[in-house]
Amino acid sequence: GAGVSQSPSNKVTEKGKDVELRCDPISGHTALYWYRQRLGQGLEFLIYFQGNSAPDKSGLPSDRFSAERTGESVSTLTIQRTQQEDSAVYLCASSLGTGGVSSGANVLTFGAGSRLTVL
Amino acid sequence: GIQVEQSPPDLILQEGANSTLRCNFSDSVNNLQWFHQNPWGQLINLFYIPSGTKQNGRLSATTVATERYSLLYISSSQTTDSGVYFCAVERIYNQGGKLIFGQGTELSVKP
Repeated sequence: GAGVSQSPSNKVTEKGKDVELRCDPISGHTALYWYRQRLGQGLEFLIYFQGNSAPDKSGLPSDRFSAERTGESVSTLTIQRTQQEDSAVYLCASSLGTGGVSSGANVLTFGAGSRLTVL
Repeated sequence: GIQVEQSPPDLILQEGANSTLRCNFSDSVNNLQWFHQNPWGQLINLFYIPSGTKQNGRLSATTVATERYSLLYISSSQTTDSGVYFCAVERIYNQGGKLIFGQGTELSVKP
C-alpha cells in the first residue's frame, strides 16, 4: 500500500482480555518494527522483523506479548491477559531493509498507531 | 545498551525564531534519524543522517559521528512546527534493526 496501515486505530478492552493489533507495511518493505509509546513518553522498542524472522525480541516486556509476521507482509502483535499498564499507543513502522552507513534503506515510515486502553 | 539524550526537553518559541535541538548518543552508530511527531501523534521522518549535513527547506541537520552528537536546526519557525522532535539511533555493531529513540524535545511555536 501507499503507507503503513494499522488496525484497529482505537481499542478499549477489559483487564484480562487478549488483544490483537495488526500492521500492514508498505509493499516491498522487508523490515518491520513495533514500538510502544505511553502517554507523554518516548518510543519504546518492542520487536523488529527482517522478512518473517525476528532477530531481536529483547524489547518485548513480558511473555504476555508476542508478534508474528507472515508472507513478509502483515504483522500482528498479540497481548494476552491485558493489564492496565499495557495502555499505550502501539506504533508500527516499516523500511526497505537494513543496510550500511551509505544506505537510505533504513528510513522508517510509521503508521498512525493503535491506541489501546485497558480498563 | 546505547543511551540517547535529547536537549532541551521543552522549548517555546515565538513564530519566526530559530532553534537548535541536540541529540547525544553513547556509542558509535550507523543509523541516525530525526522524526517529528505532530500534535495528532503522527510520526514523520525528517532526516536519515548517520553523518554529515543535510538540508530540507527551513530544516537542516548535522551529525558529527566521531563526537557522537547530532543537531537539528529549525529556522524561521512556524506554528505548524509544533510537536515533539525525536532522534533515533542504531548501534554500529548491532545485528540489525534496533533503532533506539531519545525522549524527545517538545517544541511549541506561538503565533
